[in-house]
Amino acid sequence: AQRVTQPEKLLSVFKGAPVELKCNYSYSGSPELFWYVQYSRQRLQLLLRHISRESIKGFTADLNKGETSFHLKKPFAQEEDSAMYYCALSMGGYQKVTFGTGTKLQVIP
Amino acid sequence: NAGVTQTPKFRVLKTGQSMTLLCAQDMNHEYMYWYRQDPGMGLRLIHYSVGEGTTAKGEVPDGYNVSRLKKQNFLLGLESAAPSQTSVYFCASGSGIEQYFGPGTRLTVT
Repeated sequence: AQRVTQPEKLLSVFKGAPVELKCNYSYSGSPELFWYVQYSRQRLQLLLRHISRESIKGFTADLNKGETSFHLKKPFAQEEDSAMYYCALSMGGYQKVTFGTGTKLQVIP
Repeated sequence: NAGVTQTPKFRVLKTGQSMTLLCAQDMNHEYMYWYRQDPGMGLRLIHYSVGEGTTAKGEVPDGYNVSRLKKQNFLLGLESAAPSQTSVYFCASGSGIEQYFGPGTRLTVT
């Protein structure tokens, strides 16, 4: 069975500092991996997915199959980045998605 | 284009009562999902549907039932509510890669 692990419940960083939100997964097949974000009082929304290799709001994430990781990174944190971040894994066909427990990012001014 | 809507937004139930949560989407998505969000547990999949008339169990299906009679609607039922079902419930829909979430329903069972 697939599993997504986000080891940090809370990550506090100062504005301008680098951010790395950790995500590790276990899945025997070829995974599709995503990062979702939930800003305060807003809906959960897709931030980025590994297959598109894009940078959204300065965030990037690289899939490391050897380490089974998909860490989310940003070189310089902004106050508006404060939110709850969820790593998610999908089996082929995107029918079923498994979410991690989430990491709350707090950017300190 | 409302996206994904959920009814109601808040509800308080007494143990043993029943209720139905309604999710509606206007994006013609095939897939629909019900999750619950609990502190420290993240989002856990309750049930999902890959098309009209189909449903499947997720990670935590016990105590819940679902129906997808129309493509745009996905109903989540609690037949006999328990305090352990106190949670925030999110509905989502999708046609492939991305899931679109509703605003959530906060349910308290006393």
